[in-house]
Amino acid sequence: EAGVTQSPTHLIKTRGQQATLRCSPISGHTSVYWYQQALGLGLQFLLWYDEGEERNRGNFPPRFSGRQFPNYSSELNVNALELEDSALYLCASSDGRAPADEQFFGPGTRLTVL
Amino acid sequence: AQSVTQPDIHITVSEGASLELRCNYSYGATPYLFWYVQSPGQGLQLLLKYFSGDTLVQGIKGFEAEFKRSQSSFNLRKPSVHWSDAAEYFCAVGAGNQFYFGTGTSLTVIP
Repeated sequence: EAGVTQSPTHLIKTRGQQATLRCSPISGHTSVYWYQQALGLGLQFLLWYDEGEERNRGNFPPRFSGRQFPNYSSELNVNALELEDSALYLCASSDGRAPADEQFFGPGTRLTVL
Repeated sequence: AQSVTQPDIHITVSEGASLELRCNYSYGATPYLFWYVQSPGQGLQLLLKYFSGDTLVQGIKGFEAEFKRSQSSFNLRKPSVHWSDAAEYFCAVGAGNQFYFGTGTSLTVIP
């Protein structure tokens, strides 16, 4: 069974540009979570999607947004990139209906903002 | 506000020695508790989890963790560390509609 996949592996952008990150959950999982892992800050919860709806978001500005498609894959969009957006962005999926359920993580997308 | 604290940023142990990684949480009720491991360049892998019941939980790779309600702790232990255990370890709490991670403990294993 394939795990959570993310693309691209690496992404380099300049300040002010937009970045789009993609995530495919494990087959059968309906919930997708996005996290930002910045150096020294651990993992910060960004967004939670379930059944195509945004269920919750962390303490991030509105320029961080996303969506979930009918096949449960998801996109994370970051507009007006800032230098401090440079981080590893991790996607996770679960078959539960709450973030408290076990989450399975992808390898991440490394975003570098120059 | 809910929080997860991992007080040790970095730990170094000798191969074969025992290991304990500390985790404390702040939450009004008993949350769901997890330990994840992240090897270099890899995503996070679940080591073990606690939802309810027996407060000593066994996980993969020989790890175990004990939930202590009175101390709001969920410390991770391994009796004998292997060189392949060198990685970043994250404690996490599932509470309500959110999932909180600690800042991680980096483990170095010396031969």
